Amino acid sequence: DGGITQSPKYLFRKEGQNVTLSCEQNLNHDAMYWYRQDPGQGLRLIYYSQIVNDFQKGDIAEGYSVSREKKESFPLTVTSAQKNPTAFYLCASAAGRSQPQHFGDGTRLSIL
Amino acid sequence: GESVGLHLPTLSVQEGDNSIINCAYSNSASDYFIWYKQESGKGPQFIIDIRSNMDKRQGQRVTVLLNKTVKHLSLQIAATQPGDSAVYFCAEKYGQNFVFGPGTRLSVLP
Repeated sequence: DGGITQSPKYLFRKEGQNVTLSCEQNLNHDAMYWYRQDPGQGLRLIYYSQIVNDFQKGDIAEGYSVSREKKESFPLTVTSAQKNPTAFYLCASAAGRSQPQHFGDGTRLSIL
Repeated sequence: GESVGLHLPTLSVQEGDNSIINCAYSNSASDYFIWYKQESGKGPQFIIDIRSNMDKRQGQRVTVLLNKTVKHLSLQIAATQPGDSAVYFCAEKYGQNFVFGPGTRLSVLP
């Protein structure tokens, strides 16, 4: 089945540690996105990529980094500079800018 | 369970009744809108979309209405079932990216 796979489902970060969240899609979509979801708030865009080897900052990029070396993969690194990383992280992909975004099942990141 | 959905408005409906979930969007220039359903611990699922040149669009058991005059979007679910219990949120496309609403929790009573 085509879809988006995020891993791990749960992740714990220690103080000063960088952690990387995985996102893989087999939908052959050009565009990929990372969002952060906090209780009672709408999704907030962290980074997005419209094409391989290119990505742009979203609304809340500080403390995060991404890469897009392959069309299928868009990993997100939460760096130690992100002081409030506890959240539910969602990856999405889309065939184009005015097409529905398809989401993975998320990674919940917590602080140890 | 997941903490997503805390402090959200809640709509409680009796099984078999129709549900109407509302969304006020922000930008009059938004040209594309999507409704998503999110169950606890999962990612959002696409339900239905509508472009700004339309007022109404129907799917299986769902209807989306768009009122551009008052910047209002609604999702109607016919004959609501227990499996419809979830958080529902709208997304508007403004410029290059989407803006997402916080959502409404739908609770279906037996």
